[in-house]
Amino acid sequence: NAGVTQTPKFRILKIGQSMTLQCTQDMNHNYMYWYRQDPGMGLKLIYYSVGAGITDKGEVPNGYNVSRSTTEDFPLRLELAAPSQTSVYFCASSSGTGGMNTEAFFGQGTRLTVV
Amino acid sequence: DQQVKQNSPSLSVQEGRISILNCDYTNSMFDYFLWYKKYPAEGPTFLISISSIKDKNEDGRFTVFLNKSAKHLSLHIVPSQPGDSAVYFCAASNNAGKSTFGDGTTLTVKP
Repeated sequence: NAGVTQTPKFRILKIGQSMTLQCTQDMNHNYMYWYRQDPGMGLKLIYYSVGAGITDKGEVPNGYNVSRSTTEDFPLRLELAAPSQTSVYFCASSSGTGGMNTEAFFGQGTRLTVV
Repeated sequence: DQQVKQNSPSLSVQEGRISILNCDYTNSMFDYFLWYKKYPAEGPTFLISISSIKDKNEDGRFTVFLNKSAKHLSLHIVPSQPGDSAVYFCAASNNAGKSTFGDGTTLTVKP
């Protein structure tokens, strides 16, 4: 009963390096999301997807890219890491839109530090 | 412009008493509202929700109230327990399936 699984849990990157945050869900949800949470702040939407092959920008997409080749997986790519990308990243999924379908299931988060 | 606001960053209550967490929103297109609970080093977990066609939803010790005219919702926890100590996020969504989150309120329940 895994739900939403994110890897890695922690990562330290040097400025200019790149990395991919992995996210997979086993609930057959169509909707998947990437959020970042800065200290003392709420969750800001980076990118989201409403199904395989479809992605769209959220509130704070700059510096990130995503892909959605399968229903299960939604990786987040950082191409040129910057200190401003130091944050905790959460992947989430939901069954759809409207009413209870909106309820999102979250992974445990990836704590990323860029030095 | 922040569309969902939780104006109290923190709240401290005594065990057994009522906890009231507040949330205000500005976008009248929001039609579904959710509360999530987050413990340190974990992802948020869904707690309770309410549709815009209702003004109250209850689940055990948790009740959410919605005042559409004031664009205000609140979460009541009665009685509060030490295990309720966590960060509570209010979220609002429209039919596009995306939720907008507030900045959270840290609740501390003292034994």
